[in-house]
Amino acid sequence: DGGITQSPKYLFRKEGQNVTLSCEQNLNHDAMYWYRQDPGQGLRLIYYSQIVNDFQKGDIAEGYSVSREKKESFPLTVTSAQKNPTAFYLCASRTGYNEQFFGPGTRLTVL
Amino acid sequence: SQKIEQNSEALNIQEGKTATLTCNYTNYSPAYLQWYRQDPGRGPVFLLLIRENEKEKRKERLKVTFDTTLKQSLFHITASQPADSATYLCASHQANDYKLSFGAGTTVTVRA
Repeated sequence: DGGITQSPKYLFRKEGQNVTLSCEQNLNHDAMYWYRQDPGQGLRLIYYSQIVNDFQKGDIAEGYSVSREKKESFPLTVTSAQKNPTAFYLCASRTGYNEQFFGPGTRLTVL
Repeated sequence: SQKIEQNSEALNIQEGKTATLTCNYTNYSPAYLQWYRQDPGRGPVFLLLIRENEKEKRKERLKVTFDTTLKQSLFHITASQPADSATYLCASHQANDYKLSFGAGTTVTVRA
């Protein structure tokens, strides 16, 4: 089955720690996205990548970093510079018709 | 950047009735509007896309309209069922700009 997988489902981070969220897709999509979702707010774009080895900052990139070394993979690192990282993180890829396919999400909690 | 506003209040309706959700945009008219469904603790699922030159789009019991004069899209679920209970998200983007701007969503609960 084609789709997007994210891991882990739940992640706990201590203050000052960097953590990496995994996102893998086997849909053969070129474009991939990372969003953050907080209660009562819309999805906010963190980073996106239109093609391998290229990515751009979204609206709230501060405190986050990404890489796109392979078409299938787009990991997100939440660094210690992100002051309020507790949120639900969603990865997505885009078809040629503009709609986006989302993964199941990772819920990150700061202890 | 684009601002998308959706009904902030949750919508509670009786099974069999039509649910109507509103999505208003400001700043500029988007080329496309998309609607997604999101269940608690899960990722959104794409439902429908409508272009600015389309007045209406249908898919099974779902209908979406796009009114550029009112700067608004309406999303209708006809003959609603308890399984339709979820949060529905509206998103917009411009032609050749594939970054989506999302609204906060409207939660729909369908009572049996």
